[in-house]
Amino acid sequence: LAKTTQPISMDSYEGQEVNITCSHNNIATNDYITWYQQFPSQGPRFIIQGYKTKVTNEVASLFIPADRKSSTLSLPRVSLSDTAVYYCLVGDSRSYNTDKLIFGTGTRLQVFP
Amino acid sequence: DVKVTQSSRYLVKRTGEKVFLECVQDMDHENMFWYRQDPGLGLRLIYFSYDVKMKEKGDIPEGYSVSREKKERFSLILESASTNQTSMYLCATDTDRGFVNYGYTFGSGTRLTVV
Repeated sequence: LAKTTQPISMDSYEGQEVNITCSHNNIATNDYITWYQQFPSQGPRFIIQGYKTKVTNEVASLFIPADRKSSTLSLPRVSLSDTAVYYCLVGDSRSYNTDKLIFGTGTRLQVFP
Repeated sequence: DVKVTQSSRYLVKRTGEKVFLECVQDMDHENMFWYRQDPGLGLRLIYFSYDVKMKEKGDIPEGYSVSREKKERFSLILESASTNQTSMYLCATDTDRGFVNYGYTFGSGTRLTVV
């Protein structure tokens, strides 16, 4: 049973800001929210992680509302190279609870010129 | 940067063969994971290990076993390969050090075809 829900796909154009939202209604107190990016024929790559409010790094921002039941990955000014599948993962591998270590099917982002 | 190396990028095996997929990491991470990825199904956890000689079943352990004799190496074993095990297999690691978990580091994957 998937613990997160994301849109299956999104389209955008170069230079636009893209926001991908993930729903995680059953998030637990100790859970972190982590986003990964995956290109074809490669393993997923860590993008950003947060617990609450807002986190920003050189690649993206992550917005988490107070109830933590959802999160939004924001990619500023996307380029063609941002075309990939984006996964939201909620959990903490230290809990050793495999229900927490389940990736959803991800969001396929297509960026057009 | 942590490097996670999977022994083969592409592998073709026959039905009934015993198959070993190897994963080696070079940064002394405690936790190692095996996932398989199939179109439309995302990534599914097969087994994971949080210490040498320790293993835990994931979401879909049937038909698989694992071995972790050394901290840096985590092997996935298909006891008797079947065509429904044709998939992309991904190894990942992470560490428990510190309060914050910095997420998984994945290998490049092994695409296994069972014929």
